[in-house]
Amino acid sequence: QSALTQPASVSGSPGQSITISCTGTSSDVGGYNYVSWYQQHPGKVPKLMIYDVSNRPSGVSNRFSGSKSGNTASLTISGLQAEDEADYYCSSYTSSSTAVVFGGGTKLTVL
Amino acid sequence: QVQLVQSGTEVKKPGASVKVSCKASGSSFTGFYIHWVRQAPGQGLEWMGRINPDSGATDYSQTIQGRVTMTRDTSISTAYMELSRLRSDDTAMYYCGRPHSSSSYCVDYWGQGTLVTVSS
Repeated sequence: QSALTQPASVSGSPGQSITISCTGTSSDVGGYNYVSWYQQHPGKVPKLMIYDVSNRPSGVSNRFSGSKSGNTASLTISGLQAEDEADYYCSSYTSSSTAVVFGGGTKLTVL
Repeated sequence: QVQLVQSGTEVKKPGASVKVSCKASGSSFTGFYIHWVRQAPGQGLEWMGRINPDSGATDYSQTIQGRVTMTRDTSISTAYMELSRLRSDDTAMYYCGRPHSSSSYCVDYWGQGTLVTVSS
């Protein structure tokens, strides 16, 4: 059982926007601005898409954006493209037990 | 450009230990934490721990604390992750990673991964 809760799957059509949620507690997501999001294509190494809730590393498309409200963080992908089909994971710093926790992952399907 | 190169595939028997290396280049080795993350086949990402290459200080996930040891050799810019008392559910791809320059709690640069298979 993962420390952060994500939906198992989401889907959307090309051009649409989708949002993936990541729910934690006040000891992790809600208490700190250290939420990150990763994209992973099958058989590939994960790629950092968002760090510190809403910051994009250099080279990441501005179609990807992050936000947080209370104990839930969100990743929004606008203008959905076929290449966005992948697994997405959130992570957060946590003050309880470990320094970093991951969500269980969300499979994004582009219809 | 930051590069992390990991050691090769390992096959181990239950109860044995495995030591995976991660050689860094392209940036100050002692300037950033090295994180270790693993992924069992068909499963999600699991954070294992991190090491401060400068001081050697470590933080470990509670789920594997007691079986994992992270070390480093600054003279060759290499970090190590050793996992002992291996079980079949330790079979996974093991990744090392370095954070983004602006945040310590994410992984921006990843090694290529080391597949560890535990089987009798």
